[in-house]
Amino acid sequence: GAVVSQHPSRVICKSGTSVKIECRSLDFQATTMFWYRQFPKQSLMLMATSNEGSKATYEQGVEKDKFLINHASLTLSTLTVTSAHPEDSSFYICSASKREGDTGELFFGEGSRLTVL
Amino acid sequence: AQTVTQSQPEMSVQEAETVTLSCTYDTSENNYYLFWYKQPPSRQMILVIRQEAYKQQNATENRFSVNFQKAAKSFSLKISDSQLGDTAMYFCAPQLPKNKIFGNEKLTFGTGTRLTIIP
Repeated sequence: GAVVSQHPSRVICKSGTSVKIECRSLDFQATTMFWYRQFPKQSLMLMATSNEGSKATYEQGVEKDKFLINHASLTLSTLTVTSAHPEDSSFYICSASKREGDTGELFFGEGSRLTVL
Repeated sequence: AQTVTQSQPEMSVQEAETVTLSCTYDTSENNYYLFWYKQPPSRQMILVIRQEAYKQQNATENRFSVNFQKAAKSFSLKISDSQLGDTAMYFCAPQLPKNKIFGNEKLTFGTGTRLTIIP
């Protein structure tokens, strides 16, 4: 299988604090990990692409200093929402592509719901 | 800009009926993958079916099949003998654009179709 685990699944924080979300590929090495944001009843919007050992590539309009992405190993990427504000409240989803035997398919985490009070 | 259009925001069909979800996209690439993903109420993204653009034969996966028209840039999903568990949001996702540096591609998601199967 190809399992991607995200943690935490739900987080509530106070405005001004930072929140870290982890994305792990449990049984494969991930060449690349992607971070998406999804507002209620809307589609997934790509925030950034991260490759192990490289700086993340952010989509236009996404603040890189606001959403810090670290991809330190082939099985772990983290998204840190710094100085969170209520407008950052959303559903964040990570996905990963396999290092070998690439079929083009992405494997998704369960998502993390962030609520900023 | 890469665009993906799903023209049906919502659809509902009776259980056991057949339903087709439409998707069109824009690209200048010749070789790429296309996917349909479903997102049930749990919010977990689940792969439904995958098509490779260089293959003329339409992909089939049990009750799910696609009608891929490369020239028209159309990629519709047909669900046969629909079941209650098919109720979900369905996203068309061509893998565009190609990232030639890293050799991998990112998915561009359509706006989604909310499908409800009625008992």
